[in-house]
Amino acid sequence: GAGVSQSPRYKVTKRGQDVTLRCDPISSHATLYWYQQALGQGPEFLTYFNYEAQPDKSGLPSDRFSAERPEGSISTLTIQRTEQRDSAMYRCASSPQLRTGSGQETQYFGPGTRLLVL
Amino acid sequence: AQSVTQPDIHITVSEGASLELRCNYSYGATPYLFWYVQSPGQGLQLLLKYFSGDTLVQGIKGFEAEFKRSQSSFNLRKPSVHWSDAAEYFCAVGPIFGNEKLTFGTGTRLTIIP
Repeated sequence: GAGVSQSPRYKVTKRGQDVTLRCDPISSHATLYWYQQALGQGPEFLTYFNYEAQPDKSGLPSDRFSAERPEGSISTLTIQRTEQRDSAMYRCASSPQLRTGSGQETQYFGPGTRLLVL
Repeated sequence: AQSVTQPDIHITVSEGASLELRCNYSYGATPYLFWYVQSPGQGLQLLLKYFSGDTLVQGIKGFEAEFKRSQSSFNLRKPSVHWSDAAEYFCAVGPIFGNEKLTFGTGTRLTIIP
């Protein structure tokens, strides 16, 4: 596609419910990232994929958070048993490939999904 | 661990005036530095990046940034701001190779007054 798209743009849910957020990266981009941005803060890294592999999950806050990218394109981020502290903007980004030292790779961000847990 | 500090939470500037947004970073190796802008309802848009070479980099919308290794800084500048520059600005640092993890600052919100 022309840019990174995310859906839904807004999600309101009740505490304890599961939610799934979707990211559709720029077509042919190998690498996809998820960030969490709390109100008044900068984005914080959650996890990333290189094609369907997930080399780094170090930013996922708890085992309630999981992400998938089964076919190396669209990705989903699932939060189980949501808590109020999960309320945030969830941002997805993609880039053509892992950084190779050429300085050319850039992360392109989607509009984000605003999650509110009541 | 890598970190980014943006000391100014909110800056107000008159339209037509010059602008400088500060960014200091802590990183154990040669950094890859970025400035992103976030307008309401929009995603993060890349303004410019520094990888190597000339320490003064030019970006979109008339922005520039200067990398100063001795000061661990990467300040963003614009000679004359326009009302459309009102937004939130984020500085970020990442590795040159491999792991794509970016570490962002907390952002600086820019307000433009007529």
